[in-house]
Amino acid sequence: QKEVEQNSGPLSVPEGAIASLNCTYSDRGSQSFFWYRQYSGKSPELIMSIYSNGDKEDGRFTAQLNKASQYVSLLIRDSQPSDSATYLCAVNRGSQGNLIFGKGTKLSVKP
Amino acid sequence: NAGVTQTPKFQVLKTGQSMTLQCAQDMNHNSMYWYRQDPGMGLRLIYYSASEGTTDKGEVPNGYNVSRLNKREFSLRLESAAPSQTSVYFCASSLTRAPNEKLFFGSGTQLSVL
Repeated sequence: QKEVEQNSGPLSVPEGAIASLNCTYSDRGSQSFFWYRQYSGKSPELIMSIYSNGDKEDGRFTAQLNKASQYVSLLIRDSQPSDSATYLCAVNRGSQGNLIFGKGTKLSVKP
Repeated sequence: NAGVTQTPKFQVLKTGQSMTLQCAQDMNHNSMYWYRQDPGMGLRLIYYSASEGTTDKGEVPNGYNVSRLNKREFSLRLESAAPSQTSVYFCASSLTRAPNEKLFFGSGTQLSVL
């Protein structure tokens, strides 16, 4: 089993819809969870971090974490064409662990 | 505020040639990292430096060497480039190696080895 798994997509949603991006991880000792956004030809940039079970909201973005199911998700409300990018899930195993990235989900928001 | 600066942005090498990728950060971060990104493979850690004076191997260190020149600079060297090293290379930094630290990425180096 891959350490961090994401559906590669592409995920296509219409403008204004909710985009739902999912990620599963294998190490139950993982403590920190991140979503990075990467536009084509650009570098990743952090958009959300979450450390405890439940939901964390920041503007149009909501990160959800369920450690029992080893599952983390990102919801993007009122999706805009400018949200079209690849979204990378990243998981940090602990104080001595490195950040492990999923392969990313490509999101396309159609006007 | 430059953040993380990488040079060069593009490079073409022939098999067997050597080169050094340079990275510098101006955020007074302690930890620095080199990743490579390949289609369908995601970002993979090559080497990291938790603090000035230390370096450690990541997931895919073979064929690479690193130097933490000072707190600001962390270079990646390919001694004898191979076509399998064709990739996009990203340097990143973080304040510490704590698990909740945010990574700041440079703009990347597109490397082609022919």
